[in-house]
Amino acid sequence: DAGVTQSPTHLIKTRGQQVTLRCSPKSGHDTVSWYQQALGQGPQFIFQYYEEEERQRGNFPDRFSGHQFPNYSSELNVNALLLGDSALYLCASSLILEGARTEAFFGQGTRLTVV
Amino acid sequence: AQKVTQAQTEISVVEKEDVTLDCVYETRDTTYYLFWYKQPPSGELVFLIRRNSFDEQNEISGRYSWNFQKSTSSFNFTITASQVVDSAVYFCALSEAQGQNFVFGPGTRLSVLP
Repeated sequence: DAGVTQSPTHLIKTRGQQVTLRCSPKSGHDTVSWYQQALGQGPQFIFQYYEEEERQRGNFPDRFSGHQFPNYSSELNVNALLLGDSALYLCASSLILEGARTEAFFGQGTRLTVV
Repeated sequence: AQKVTQAQTEISVVEKEDVTLDCVYETRDTTYYLFWYKQPPSGELVFLIRRNSFDEQNEISGRYSWNFQKSTSSFNFTITASQVVDSAVYFCALSEAQGQNFVFGPGTRLSVLP
């Protein structure tokens, strides 16, 4: 059973560019959350997708947007990249089971470097 | 607002020593979940333990144990007989509901020396 997979693993972009990160949830999971982890800090919640809609959002600007596909996979898009967007981006998946969400599983992340 | 504090930035111990990682949280919710995650150099967050706000019973799972005290809003985590493979960054996290978004602490880097 594949866990949460993210692609690419590493990425280098230039300031002002746009980037798309991808996440495939654990098999059977229907909810995907994205987190940004700056170096030496804990992960910060960006947003959560369920049933192809954004359900919750953290304190991130509109430059950060996302999408969830019918197969539950998800993309995170960041426009007009800033140097401060350099971070490890983590995806987590979970499932609603009998009215409650199951444990969240994390992927290995995408390391984004903005130069 | 929810907040998680991990006062210990870095801890170094010698193999086979016991080590306790501290976590203090803030929340106005009456129902919440507390977690400990381990992050090895590979980057993936590995789930270790979970506790909900209803149950303050402390337990031991193998070499891991935790001490949840609502009166002091603390959720400390202990590794018994530490091993070199335990070296990683450990995060305490809080969520208002299982599987919902986490609020993470800043992490504690644990180095276990041979």
